[in-house]
Amino acid sequence: EIVMTQSPATLSVSPGERATLSCRASQSVYSNLAWYQQKPGQAPRLLIYGVSSRATGIPARFSGGGSGTEFTLTISSLQSEDFALYYCHQYFDWPLTFGPGTKVDIK
Amino acid sequence: QVQLVESGGGVVQPGMSLRLSCAASGFSFDTYGMHWVRQAPGKGLEWVALISFDGSNKYYKDSVKGRFTISRDNSKNMLYLEMNSLRLEDRALYYCAKGSMLPQTWGQGTLVTVSS
Repeated sequence: EIVMTQSPATLSVSPGERATLSCRASQSVYSNLAWYQQKPGQAPRLLIYGVSSRATGIPARFSGGGSGTEFTLTISSLQSEDFALYYCHQYFDWPLTFGPGTKVDIK
Repeated sequence: QVQLVESGGGVVQPGMSLRLSCAASGFSFDTYGMHWVRQAPGKGLEWVALISFDGSNKYYKDSVKGRFTISRDNSKNMLYLEMNSLRLEDRALYYCAKGSMLPQTWGQGTLVTVSS
């Protein structure tokens, strides 16, 4: 099983600041890496797929990068609606696995 | 627009069975794979199962193999998860999601509580 880890567990950021979230896979997942956002009481929403492609309707302030086993999600200028939980996800191999999440909260 | 509505959750005792359903609309259901993903209260996301667009291929998380069965009825735009021999650790909010490999769009979930 490919184990996904995320850091930090919590990221405290002021509105308007930049946030960088990290995700690591225990083995290469090539470009089969996605990011989701989840707010309390809501289902996850796909933000990024294929490492760096934004899903439909996702603002340009969200960007993804990395390759192989090391990936990042960057939110260039945090808006109030961006304070949430973020999960990375590999869909390269079975079983599909998710990281434990990074909570982005208000500093 | 894509709509996924889960149902069938409830409170059951360990060892019992439950069948979850997911009603899909707003897209060509019979051209997409479909997932079940669960989330225990206050915990992260855990993929459970995937069925291919035509039902010919099914994939499961190891801990549910032999106990859970994913199926679909393309004539009714419905996805199912038959859960047998339920365990305390199966307690979670179960989401269905559209996507042939990557879960793209998710429903709001149905809650399964396993309690003695």
